[in-house]
Amino acid sequence: QQQVKQSPQSLIVQKGGIPIINCAYENTAFDYFPWYQQFPGKGPALLIAIRPDVSEKKEGRFTISFNKSAKQFSLHIMDSQPGDSATYFCAASTGASGSRLTFGEGTQLTVNP
Amino acid sequence: KAGVTQTPRYLIKTRGQQVTLSCSPISGHRSVSWYQQTPGQGLQFLFEYFSETQRNKGNFPGRFSGRQFSNSRSEMNVSTLELGDSALYLCASRLGAEQYFGPGTRLTVT
Repeated sequence: QQQVKQSPQSLIVQKGGIPIINCAYENTAFDYFPWYQQFPGKGPALLIAIRPDVSEKKEGRFTISFNKSAKQFSLHIMDSQPGDSATYFCAASTGASGSRLTFGEGTQLTVNP
Repeated sequence: KAGVTQTPRYLIKTRGQQVTLSCSPISGHRSVSWYQQTPGQGLQFLFEYFSETQRNKGNFPGRFSGRQFSNSRSEMNVSTLELGDSALYLCASRLGAEQYFGPGTRLTVT
């Protein structure tokens, strides 16, 4: 029940394309859903986050869509660039769990020039 | 503001030894969490410290321990190292709900 399932495992798009990464969760107590971007040799960097009372949030080229009834959320990257090539992780936490983030398995994104 | 810093960045240890990793959170952040990242298990929560008290603990054996100091700096210790402890150990400091990760310490156990 604590798991967060992420798909696809890997994704290849052309520059300018819109990669979409999906996550699903079971625990309805989750109330905070961040996305992280990780480059090789670096720690994960917080990209954008959403709470369940909002269905969509946009920051720059990154958009989260949230479907509370389906217990799913997704990351869209508009006008993707080769510099966006990285591993992306979705995560979830509850207010009661404090810092405890439950992560998805990760998606390795490659944006070809 | 400076980000989360972790030392050392790389470490090679032998089975049976112990290791201590250090983390300095972002100034003003009082919560520090530790995560283990491996190719097989992904990112897994180890524990969280807030105001020098452990607030939450993941499903790791007692060989994994931590502490936090009055200046919010944190250390984690792994005793009796096993080959499976080879991983990237990440520290994150938190303000509100947002967590910011450090670059990690790459631990290799031989």
